Amino acid sequence: KNEVEQSPQNLTAQEGEFITINCSYSVGISALHWLQQHPGGGIVSLFMLSSGKKKHGRLIATINIQEKHSSLHITASHPRDSAVYICAASTSGTYKYIFGTGTRLKVLA
Amino acid sequence: DADVTQTPRNRITKTGKRIMLECSQTKGHDRMYWYRQDPGLGLRLIYYSFDVKDINKGEISDGYSVSRQAQAKFSLSLESAIPNQTALYFCATSEIPGGDQETQYFGPGTRLLVL
Repeated sequence: KNEVEQSPQNLTAQEGEFITINCSYSVGISALHWLQQHPGGGIVSLFMLSSGKKKHGRLIATINIQEKHSSLHITASHPRDSAVYICAASTSGTYKYIFGTGTRLKVLA
Repeated sequence: DADVTQTPRNRITKTGKRIMLECSQTKGHDRMYWYRQDPGLGLRLIYYSFDVKDINKGEISDGYSVSRQAQAKFSLSLESAIPNQTALYFCATSEIPGGDQETQYFGPGTRLLVL
């Protein structure tokens, strides 16, 4: 069992839909990160969470420390949101990242 | 200009050849990392360095070596490339642990094909 697991692996949505991507982890963490990988390959950091909820534009990230679970939500999805979304746990003590395998999102116009 | 750059961006090489992938950063970060990404797998850590005199193996260091020439430069070498090292390689940097400073910043990636 991977230490960081994401679901779903693939997701296709219609423009405007509300999207949720889930991440569960089994390790002790100092923070949970959500990353976006563009079709060209580049990776950017979207959120870093150690508790609660963060919002940036149409993106919302939440974390439940007790349940070891985080979600990334996209409201009013748009084709430009099409990307791979990666969850990563930075581990307590070492702060190294352990990555999920990613969720490939395709938003259709 | 990008804060974290990687050269080359694409490379095709043959089995047995030695190749070097280079990473440079202008962010002034002490910590640098090399990852590889394979289809269906998450990014995996090859090597990391917390300062110029500190080099550490990651989970998949066999077949790779690194050099931290300066705070801003971290190179990854494949001494004798093999086809299963075909992958997308990323360099990343971070500042210090704790709070937003532990966010890692990624380079654009190097796509390597070993024939």
